Amino acid sequence: DSGVTQTPKHLITATGQRVTLRCSPRSGDLSVYWYQQSLDQGLQFLIQYYNGEERAKGNILERFSAQQFPDLHSELNLSSLELGDSALYFCASSVGDSNEKLFFGSGTQLSVL
Amino acid sequence: GESVGLHLPTLSVQEGDNSIINCAYSNSASDYFIWYKQESGKGPQFIIDIRSNMDKRQGQRVTVLLNKTVKHLSLQIAATQPGDSAVYFCAEPVGYSTLTFGKGTMLLVSP
Repeated sequence: DSGVTQTPKHLITATGQRVTLRCSPRSGDLSVYWYQQSLDQGLQFLIQYYNGEERAKGNILERFSAQQFPDLHSELNLSSLELGDSALYFCASSVGDSNEKLFFGSGTQLSVL
Repeated sequence: GESVGLHLPTLSVQEGDNSIINCAYSNSASDYFIWYKQESGKGPQFIIDIRSNMDKRQGQRVTVLLNKTVKHLSLQIAATQPGDSAVYFCAEPVGYSTLTFGKGTMLLVSP
């Protein structure tokens, strides 16, 4: 167990809908990262928050947004969902704001039908 | 652009054998590399890392070798066990906050 908690584990929704994925980092970790994993693209970095502030942005679509709350948990919001958004979404955390030794959660499997 | 890639998509070994998983990187300026293991239904799990000022680093049953001349690193797993069956990724930091992952190699261990 990495100590990173993600909910829900599975999410099935329809095109055009909006969903929220939740992540609680390891105790003491200030950084939260979001990654998308699909069969054709592999693991793709989406966005990073450090202590409540956006720190780095990757290949995140404009339809997607995230935030990190004062208690350090994070949410990833996906809107106007398309079939191609179906993927595994992982949250990871680390103590500092660098990208060393990330601890990943078990992921949320999103299926857009 | 810069990328981290893997030579073999699938590696099948017998239990007890030693496994070697390879990874090529393209950014000669990279100074830090990480290996992750992802079991089915789970997130990637940190295995071992190495900095560019080292050629070799050993962990428990795992060894990472770094050859900067040819921009290649490998993960060696000694006495491979069925529990080692997973997808293995090499990863490379890009900038300060981002990790770029290779496509992954699936290791299948037969009893």
